[in-house]
Amino acid sequence: GQNIDQPTEMTATEGAIVQINCTYQTSGFNGLFWYQQHAGEAPTFLSYNVLDGLEEKGRFSSFLSRSKGYSYLLLKELQMKDSASYLCAVRSGGYQKVTFGTGTKLQVIP
Amino acid sequence: DTGVSQNPRHKITKRGQNVTFRCDPISEHNRLYWYRQTLGQGPEFLTYFQNEAQLEKSRLLSDRFSAERPKGSFSTLEIQRTEQGDSAMYLCASSLGPEGPLSYEQYFGPGTRLTVT
Repeated sequence: GQNIDQPTEMTATEGAIVQINCTYQTSGFNGLFWYQQHAGEAPTFLSYNVLDGLEEKGRFSSFLSRSKGYSYLLLKELQMKDSASYLCAVRSGGYQKVTFGTGTKLQVIP
Repeated sequence: DTGVSQNPRHKITKRGQNVTFRCDPISEHNRLYWYRQTLGQGPEFLTYFQNEAQLEKSRLLSDRFSAERPKGSFSTLEIQRTEQGDSAMYLCASSLGPEGPLSYEQYFGPGTRLTVT
């Protein structure tokens, strides 16, 4: 089976940097996603990592270490609109099944 | 609007009734997924289609659940004899095949919120 762990809640200040960690245990790892989900809305894609290293996309960056089963999402220059849940999800094997973590609810405060 | 659409957006039903939801994926996407999400949890995989073929189905999906994608375009998810535990948001997502760097990105629809009373 698969196990994905991420913190339940985090609070950060507007303009600051926050790092949301995700650890996973899976067989046949084949990629890790980060999604953003605002309350009452559908998840929206942020990043996809399949190789080790850092992927940067504007204010958001995502890091993957396959040997450690570890990823993080880095959000810079936080804005109030970044308050949302951030979902870590793992794709395994040759299948298209994607397993989501429970999400980290981020609250950005002034 | 060329995104994923789902109908209805909300459904309230009495326990024991059958319900059917529809998902229209992005037109060029050959892969379609169904997920269920409850409050405070991440989406939970239910099933996956590539074109019209249902290639994977979660063991969590009981016999009361069935999904179809008859022509490889829209899909329906039916729940028979609904139970209160079926109350959740049902999300549909679609993606392209294996070609291209963003081919695994799943685009989610707005979801159908089911309430079983």
